[in-house]
Amino acid sequence: EAEVAQSPRYKITEKSQAVAFWCDPISGHATLYWYRQILGQGPELLVQFQDESVVDDSQLPKDRFSAERLKGVDSTLKIQPAELGDSAMYLCASSHSGGADTGELFFGEGSRLTVL
Amino acid sequence: SQKIEQNSEALNIQEGKTATLTCNYTNYSPAYLQWYRQDPGRGPVFLLLIRENEKEKRKERLKVTFDTTLKQSLFHITASQPADSATYLCALLTGGGNKLTFGTGTQLKVEL
Repeated sequence: EAEVAQSPRYKITEKSQAVAFWCDPISGHATLYWYRQILGQGPELLVQFQDESVVDDSQLPKDRFSAERLKGVDSTLKIQPAELGDSAMYLCASSHSGGADTGELFFGEGSRLTVL
Repeated sequence: SQKIEQNSEALNIQEGKTATLTCNYTNYSPAYLQWYRQDPGRGPVFLLLIRENEKEKRKERLKVTFDTTLKQSLFHITASQPADSATYLCALLTGGGNKLTFGTGTQLKVEL
């Protein structure tokens, strides 16, 4: 069964360092999402791609976070510099289509970030 | 302000009983609502989708209702089992139909 792949599963870093997360969505899925989930809370959308274009990045802290999906397939989320408050689970998800046709989202296992 | 509210306190029930979880929302007009299951340290897994013109949806032991007047969805698990223990998240399609926004989730514990 096709899955969304994410790496690394766990990352421990010191504040002010740079961190990068990688996501490979299910083949053929045009829409890719990065969510952040703080312990005990629901996932919060950071950025949404339709193919290689950003559809929504209104909640992405653009002074330190960046995301790209250059060829409309896999994606990278970067944080530089990392802050203590960035400690969270970073979830990648994909769906076959987006917008009003958005169906179920398929999530990866997530990347757990701890900033010391 | 816009809110999606789920019970923050864990729900503890006995095996075999029906678990009922609530999702309330304010200042949204979602085209549909989804429910996901999330196990500790894992990504959410899709369970059910219900559209605004549907009152009820069923899948095996799961049932979801959607009342757009009350702005509420109820999620039921009948004949609950310890394996149903997890956090359940509701999510609304918002932002003009482009964005899936999640609630905070409710933790369910099914005891023997």
